[in-house]
Amino acid sequence: KAGVTQTPRYLIKTRGQQVTLSCSPISGHRSVSWYQQTPGQGLQFLFEYFSETQRNKGNFPGRFSGRQFSNSRSEMNVSTLELGDSALYLCASSTSGTGGAYTEAFFGQGTRLTVV
Amino acid sequence: AQKITQTQPGMFVQEKEAVTLDCTYDTSDPSYGLFWYKQPSSGEMIFLIYQGSYDQQNATEGRYSLNFQKARKSANLVISASQLGDSAMYFCAMRGPDSNYQLIWGAGTKLIIKP
Repeated sequence: KAGVTQTPRYLIKTRGQQVTLSCSPISGHRSVSWYQQTPGQGLQFLFEYFSETQRNKGNFPGRFSGRQFSNSRSEMNVSTLELGDSALYLCASSTSGTGGAYTEAFFGQGTRLTVV
Repeated sequence: AQKITQTQPGMFVQEKEAVTLDCTYDTSDPSYGLFWYKQPSSGEMIFLIYQGSYDQQNATEGRYSLNFQKARKSANLVISASQLGDSAMYFCAMRGPDSNYQLIWGAGTKLIIKP
């Protein structure tokens, strides 16, 4: 069974540009969550999608957005990039988010974004 | 609000020794899940073990076990017979209704296994 696949693995972008990151969850998993990891802030929740609907959102500005397709693949978009957006972006898939306190989340290898 | 505290920023352990990584949590939810993840330098977050708040037994997965002390709100990870490949960051996380079932993370512990 294939794991969670994130593409690309590495990205270098310039301030002001926009970027799109992709995540393919484990087959059969309908929940996809995105997290930002930085040395200063640690791991922070961005948003969660379930069956093509955003179900939860963290405290990030509107420049961060996402969507989920009918095959459960998800994309995350960041517009007008800032230096502070440099981070490791991790995607997690699980069978269920809400109601799933006991549900493991499985992560991809992450996309390391550097904004210069 | 839910909170996870990992008080050990870093640890050095001799190969083949057992190691305990500390994790305390705070929540008002009666039902919640506790998780441990390993993150090697490659960046991938690898799921290790989970404990449900209503589980009577401590969870075990191979060399990993979770020392769950509910009254003390403690969920320490124990790695038996450590190996060089265990060197990584280790994160404790939890989720429940209070966090809308999203994972709340500790700051992590960097574990280095010495040969």
